[in-house]
Amino acid sequence: NAGVMQNPRHLVRRRGQEARLRCSPMKGHSHVYWYRQLPEEGLKFMVYLQKENIIDESGMPKERFSAEFPKEGPSILRIQQVVRGDSAAYFCASSDEGKNIQYFGAGTRLSVL
Amino acid sequence: SQKIEQNSEALNIQEGKTATLTCNYTNYSPAYLQWYRQDPGRGPVFLLLIRENEKEKRKERLKVTFDTTLKQSLFHITASQPADSATYLCTFRTGTASKLTFGTGTRLQVTL
Repeated sequence: NAGVMQNPRHLVRRRGQEARLRCSPMKGHSHVYWYRQLPEEGLKFMVYLQKENIIDESGMPKERFSAEFPKEGPSILRIQQVVRGDSAAYFCASSDEGKNIQYFGAGTRLSVL
Repeated sequence: SQKIEQNSEALNIQEGKTATLTCNYTNYSPAYLQWYRQDPGRGPVFLLLIRENEKEKRKERLKVTFDTTLKQSLFHITASQPADSATYLCTFRTGTASKLTFGTGTRLQVTL
């Protein structure tokens, strides 16, 4: 019973490039959440998705960031035209319909050169 | 805005002692609190959940208390071991929203 799978684990991009982060939820989970953790800071909520729907994107920056969770396949967090300030660890979590406990993946560490 | 405060300074204790970590929250009354553990370079791992109508919750060497009057949760690890060294995160979710609000975490270091 695999947990939440995120890939890649590490991603290096140059300023202006695009970053695509993938997240496969735990088996049976239909709710996905993305969080960002900056160095020496706590986890910050970005977006909450269910299959094919964005439920809450109140933590997403207004520009350059987007997320999707298609009917088939993993959830994708997309960052266009990355800047150095986007360097952080991005964590995905998933939960079942009860939504009480969120299970986290190992994260993707994005470095922008 | 809703805020969670955890002691940002690292907690250093000797093996075998009880570690106590504090979580205070403001501007909100959560239906429940959760504690997670995070190791360097890893994602948070769920440990315990305590509801507002529960004063205390235990799991093996772990104990969590929840005081809604003080707006505080305490997390205890008894008979601590070096393997307990990690950052411990306190978090809550609102009754209807789904996002978790996290504290910055307290780093625990257990030495021999």
